[in-house]
Amino acid sequence: NTVMTQSPTSMFISVGDRVTMNCKASQNVGTNVDWYQQKTGQSPKLLIYGASNRYTGVPDRFTGSGSGTDFTLTISNMQAEDLAVYYCLQYNYNPTFGGGTKLELK
Amino acid sequence: QVQLTESGPGLVHPSETLSLTCTVSGFSLTGYSVYWVRQPSGKGLEWMGRMRYNGDTSYNSALKSRLSISRDTSKNQVFLKMNSLQTDDTGTYYCTRGGSGWGQGVMVTVSS
Repeated sequence: NTVMTQSPTSMFISVGDRVTMNCKASQNVGTNVDWYQQKTGQSPKLLIYGASNRYTGVPDRFTGSGSGTDFTLTISNMQAEDLAVYYCLQYNYNPTFGGGTKLELK
Repeated sequence: QVQLTESGPGLVHPSETLSLTCTVSGFSLTGYSVYWVRQPSGKGLEWMGRMRYNGDTSYNSALKSRLSISRDTSKNQVFLKMNSLQTDDTGTYYCTRGGSGWGQGVMVTVSS
């Protein structure tokens, strides 16, 4: 299985911060990576598909980048509603999720 | 409108078999793949397996020996069966079309 290693596992942030989280694949997955947001008690919600494409309705403060083995999700101007756990998912092979990055308020 | 709804027993005894149903609407199972994802309480997401649009299946290698996914296209349903359940199989089970199409999840507790 392709292992997706997310870092950091948690971040304490303030509203207005620029937030960057990473996902590293154990082998080349091209750009076959999605990013999901999951709030407490809710199903995951797609933010980014194909590594860098913002899904319909997703605010432009969310940006995905990367290819091959290294991927990044950036939130340019953190809002309180963005507090959640974020997961990367590779689907180049049998899909695998990263372990998640939890955003919490300072 | 794309909808997926999971159903099944909330409680399963250790060593027994879990049977879940995903009922879909707003799309055809012969046009889209459906995936099963689970989440142990307080933990991350785990991809379990998929029913492809053409009827092929693939499974997480860690679960493959216990897991079976099938479908009934006439009823717009996808089924998950997993045997030899243990307490660490407790969690929320989701079916998804991928992208924005997710069910609300069904909580399964494995306990005697």
